[in-house]
Amino acid sequence: DAKTTQPNSMESNEEEPVHLPCNHSTISGTDYIHWYRQLPSQGPEYVIHGLTSNVNNRMASLAIAEDRKSSTLILHRATLRDAAVYYCILRDDSNYQLIWGAGTKLIIKP
Amino acid sequence: NAGVTQTPKFRVLKTGQSMTLLCAQDMNHEYMYWYRQDPGMGLRLIHYSVGEGTTAKGEVPDGYNVSRLKKQNFLLGLESAAPSQTSVYFCASSQTGTADEQFFGPGTRLTVL
Repeated sequence: DAKTTQPNSMESNEEEPVHLPCNHSTISGTDYIHWYRQLPSQGPEYVIHGLTSNVNNRMASLAIAEDRKSSTLILHRATLRDAAVYYCILRDDSNYQLIWGAGTKLIIKP
Repeated sequence: NAGVTQTPKFRVLKTGQSMTLLCAQDMNHEYMYWYRQDPGMGLRLIHYSVGEGTTAKGEVPDGYNVSRLKKQNFLLGLESAAPSQTSVYFCASSQTGTADEQFFGPGTRLTVL
């Protein structure tokens, strides 16, 4: 299974945009890029996913590099409630498994 | 809608004891999953089900069994608990098994002494 690489932690100021990077150099053509986040002491929560094109939803935007070897999750205006561990995951369209890494712990400073 | 619920929320077992974790979802999802999460790590898939009456092994199935007798329920069993099974267990469900999102329960914190 293709793997992802994320920074262990990042800090950002409240009400500023946040760019969370993810490298996935061994991604295959059928791998979807998924992002989940996990708030303290809670179950993971879906954020966004995409295949090739950039994606937007009410929570975030996903920017995918043209060669698909990296992607960036963008939180347009971070709030204290966005403090969580963010996981970048690759998922083969034919495989039910989400292979999770350690994620990026996002710290929001007021 | 309650979404995905898990019982119990906490449990302490002694080595060798058995227990069953219950997961229930009210979204009529076909697919259900059991994960475990160890401290500082991401989730690892234990078993999953693609529909009522079917189950399959995930990444770390040893020491666990599952059953999906009803579409809305997915049970995870530990026949003889070991300290290595101390973890937080999450259940999830999804409508399909491909690109759509998984909905997670709040987790069960299990300690095996």
